[in-house]
Amino acid sequence: KAGVTQTPRYLIKTRGQQVTLSCSPISGHRSVSWYQQTPGQGLQFLFEYFSETQRNKGNFPGRFSGRQFSNSRSEMNVSTLELGDSALYLCASSLRPREAFYEQYFGPGTRLTVT
Amino acid sequence: KNEVEQSPQNLTAQEGEFITINCSYSVGISALHWLQQHPGGGIVSLFMLSSGKKKHGRLIATINIQEKHSSLHITASHPRDSAVYICAVLYNTDKLIFGTGTRLQVFP
Repeated sequence: KAGVTQTPRYLIKTRGQQVTLSCSPISGHRSVSWYQQTPGQGLQFLFEYFSETQRNKGNFPGRFSGRQFSNSRSEMNVSTLELGDSALYLCASSLRPREAFYEQYFGPGTRLTVT
Repeated sequence: KNEVEQSPQNLTAQEGEFITINCSYSVGISALHWLQQHPGGGIVSLFMLSSGKKKHGRLIATINIQEKHSSLHITASHPRDSAVYICAVLYNTDKLIFGTGTRLQVFP
């Protein structure tokens, strides 16, 4: 069974631009969560989608948004990029939402650099 | 004060040593995850537990709900165990908070 895939793996953008990252979950998984990891803040939860609905959102500004498609693939978008958005963005999939305590499987991440 | 504290922040060991990484939290939790992150970023979920103890190969995770504390033990450590180990707690059924991680280096 293929694992969680994320594209692109590396990305360089300029301040003010927007970016879209993609995550394909493990086949059969309907929950996708997104996380941001920076050296200063560590791992932080962005949002979770289940069956095309956003279930939870972390404490991030509205510039960060996401969506999930009927095939469970998910995208996250960051608009008006700031230098502080430079981070590793990870997505994780699971069979059911997190509150069902199903194990999450992580993708390799997309490393975003904002210059 | 962080809601999830890990100790130590950095740990070096010789191959074969027994290793313990600790995680303390201040909120009531539904479950606790132990994650392993290798250089390059890939994260693997090692354990998810809400009580007691779990074992997988050379890894053992324990949790004491009353004391709000969990430990991750590695027996007979090996250089391939070198990674960052992160504990994360799930509380209010849907909020996930991560610890800052413990960087482990195991030398041959």
